Amino acid sequence: DAGVIQSPRHEVTEMGQEVTLRCKPISGHNSLFWYRQTMMRGLELLIYFNNNVPIDDSGMPEDRFSAKMPNASFSTLKIQPSEPRDSAVYFCASSPQGVGGTDTQYFGPGTRLTVL
Amino acid sequence: GQQLNQSPQSMFIQEGEDVSMNCTSSSIFNTWLWYKQDPGEGPVLLIALYKAGELTSNGRLTAQFGITRKDSFLNISASIPSDVGIYFCAGSLQGAQKLVFGQGTRLTINP
Repeated sequence: DAGVIQSPRHEVTEMGQEVTLRCKPISGHNSLFWYRQTMMRGLELLIYFNNNVPIDDSGMPEDRFSAKMPNASFSTLKIQPSEPRDSAVYFCASSPQGVGGTDTQYFGPGTRLTVL
Repeated sequence: GQQLNQSPQSMFIQEGEDVSMNCTSSSIFNTWLWYKQDPGEGPVLLIALYKAGELTSNGRLTAQFGITRKDSFLNISASIPSDVGIYFCAGSLQGAQKLVFGQGTRLTINP
């Protein structure tokens, strides 16, 4: 079975440019999470969705960050305009609902973003 | 905010040795998860624990959900080179869907 799919795997852009990261969750999973990982701050939850609805976006650092989930099989994380301090690895994770399953998250391979 | 204290931060061991790492929390957790992350990849789920006192194995890996529900440990027996990586604990509070992650334990193995 396919796991969580993220694209692109690597992104290099210049400061001020718009960046869009994409995620396809595991089929049948109802929850989707966006994380950012840096050496200094570790794994940080940015936002998560249940059944395509944003539930908690308290981790989104600034208004420059936005996330959407138009359907159950696709989500985007957009940064506009991007800044060098946004450089990090961004992970998408999905989780099934159900007994013992709601809390178990499965991660994608990540997108390494470098903003010059 | 909620934090998990994971220790040790790093370990340098010889191949074949056993490894032990743990996580503690100031709050009661409903779920404990252990992940491993290889360079350039996302965290991969190793073991999930859902009940206090639960002891679960996955090959050479064994993890336990502490009785107090505030801690968990992961043991790796007879380490091999492919065990190298960063291990993360994660937990969720009762009724919460968000995971809190530990800072990670970086495991290095000398052949």
